[in-house]
Amino acid sequence: QKEVEQNSGPLSVPEGAIASLNCTYSDRGSQSFFWYRQYSGKSPELIMFIYSNGDKEDGRFTAQLNKASQYVSLLIRDSQPSDSATYLCAVARGNKLTFGTGTQLKVEL
Amino acid sequence: ETGVTQTPRHLVMGMTNKKSLKCEQHLGHNAMYWYKQSAKKPLELMFVYNFKEQTENNSVPSRFSPECPNSSHLFLHLHTLQPEDSALYLCASSQDGSGNTIYFGEGSWLTVV
Repeated sequence: QKEVEQNSGPLSVPEGAIASLNCTYSDRGSQSFFWYRQYSGKSPELIMFIYSNGDKEDGRFTAQLNKASQYVSLLIRDSQPSDSATYLCAVARGNKLTFGTGTQLKVEL
Repeated sequence: ETGVTQTPRHLVMGMTNKKSLKCEQHLGHNAMYWYKQSAKKPLELMFVYNFKEQTENNSVPSRFSPECPNSSHLFLHLHTLQPEDSALYLCASSQDGSGNTIYFGEGSWLTVV
């Protein structure tokens, strides 16, 4: 079982729709959860982080964490073509940060 | 601009060459990292330095040799690499090595021929 699992996609959504990206993790002791966005040919940039169960909202982005079910998700409202990128889920326990392979999102006009 | 600067951005080297990647962070962080990103694979942690001390070496072959002279600078010395080492090498930094948010540099694209 992969430590951090994401569907590689591509996930295609129409412009203006809600994009839902999901991530599951295997280590129940994981403490911190991060979403990074990576455009093709660029380095990952932090979108959001979440530590506690529940939702965390920042503009068009909402991170959701459910530790009991060991999943974390990222919702992007009013998706824009500029949101087209690969989204990396990362999970931390202590000083160990583990990344998933990423989900490619395509927002279509 | 993330505050983490990597040079060179692109590097092509032969298998017998010796080269170095450089990373500098301007964020006042105390931990620095080297990651490797290959196609279709998750980001792979290579090395972690916390307050200039190496705290993690993730079974990286000795042809990769890190150096951290201070908390702001990190090098990755490369020697007798293989074509399969071609990848994007990402430097990152964080406040400390305890799982805080890490910030990546733009990366160095390495091609070994």
